[in-house]
Amino acid sequence: EPEVTQTPSHQVTQMGQEVILRCVPISNHLYFYWYRQILGQKVEFLVSFYNNEISEKSEIFDDQFSVERPDGSNFTLKIRSTKLEDSAMYFCASSRDRGEQYFGPGTRLTVT
Amino acid sequence: QKEVEQNSGPLSVPEGAIASLNCTYSDRGSQSFFWYRQYSGKSPELIMSIYSNGDKEDGRFTAQLNKASQYVSLLIRDSQPSDSATYLCAPLPGRGSTLGRLYFGRGTQLTVWP
Repeated sequence: EPEVTQTPSHQVTQMGQEVILRCVPISNHLYFYWYRQILGQKVEFLVSFYNNEISEKSEIFDDQFSVERPDGSNFTLKIRSTKLEDSAMYFCASSRDRGEQYFGPGTRLTVT
Repeated sequence: QKEVEQNSGPLSVPEGAIASLNCTYSDRGSQSFFWYRQYSGKSPELIMSIYSNGDKEDGRFTAQLNKASQYVSLLIRDSQPSDSATYLCAPLPGRGSTLGRLYFGRGTQLTVWP
């Protein structure tokens, strides 16, 4: 069964450093998303992406964040200058249409 | 702000019992509703989707939707210890959202004891 994959599973970085989180969505899906979950809190939407552009972003997704689909399979989230409060699980999700979203296993980001 | 409220839990049921999980949502325009299961330290896993008023059954799971009351529920029959997880309700807004932003509730933690 096809699934969303994410790398790395765990990333440790120092405050102020740039990180890139990578995702490979399910191959026939057209809509891609990033969510995050701070420990003990709700899953929060960051951004949605369709047809090679951002379709919606939340108030969390400020200028420090960017997304890219550099080729036909990868979907990346870049955080330009990490802060302590960026420490969270980051989930990539994809969907075939504006419906059921399937989540990857997540990347645990720890900012020290 | 679109709100999603779930019964706070934790909910504890014996093996073989029915577990009932509830969710209310604020956005009247929501048309699609999803239930996700999240084991500790893992990602959300889609277990049910429901789009129309009424009941939808899939194996031991039944989702119930009442749009007029802005209420959606999940029943788990014959609960098993492996069902112990946090269950997340996620409506999909119908307006003001272009493509698929899900709003999650805080989740209800379910424990099924043998």
